Amino acid sequence: AQSVTQPDIHITVSEGASLELRCNYSYGATPYLFWYVQSPGQGLQLLLKYFSGDTLVQGIKGFEAEFKRSQSSFNLRKPSVHWSDAAEYFCAVGEESNDYKLSFGAGTTVTVRA
Amino acid sequence: NAGVTQTPKFQVLKTGQSMTLQCAQDMNHEYMSWYRQDPGMGLRLIHYSVGAGITDQGEVPNGYNVSRSTTEDFPLRLLSAAPSQTSVYFCASSYLSGVSTDTQYFGPGTRLTVL
Repeated sequence: AQSVTQPDIHITVSEGASLELRCNYSYGATPYLFWYVQSPGQGLQLLLKYFSGDTLVQGIKGFEAEFKRSQSSFNLRKPSVHWSDAAEYFCAVGEESNDYKLSFGAGTTVTVRA
Repeated sequence: NAGVTQTPKFQVLKTGQSMTLQCAQDMNHEYMSWYRQDPGMGLRLIHYSVGAGITDQGEVPNGYNVSRSTTEDFPLRLLSAAPSQTSVYFCASSYLSGVSTDTQYFGPGTRLTVL
């Protein structure tokens, strides 16, 4: 079964600085990879997803992520964070042989300081 | 479209009580699912449905029942609540069956406390 690890529980970043959130997955075949964002008191919103093809994917709100098969990683990046990016971010992996289930990481909380 | 709606937003139960968490979507989505979110554990899949009349278990189904009599609604039932079921519950839906084929839309969540 697939699993997802987000090594950083909490990250604090200054407004205007760059942000990188780490995600490592465990899965034998090519995974389906996702990043979701959860603002306080809200449900989850999809930022971006990777199924195949170009390993650098662009998402909403200026986010991008890069799939690196050799490192089993799918890290999320943003060149310049805004105060509104303060939220919790979840990496998730889907399994091709079991198309109905997503496995989520524990999440990384991002705090943005002025 | 209202998207995915969940009621109630907050609920407090006593151990042993039963209740139903409601989830509805107005996007004609085939796939619906329930997750619970606990601190430090991310979201875990409870049950899911790929269409009316079809349901299946996820990762943590014990203590929960579901049914899918219509495309729009996917209620989650707790028959005898336990403190271990204290959590935030999210409902999600997508147009095409499966997680790989379409974006999943999440509801705002129900925060449940079992005393």
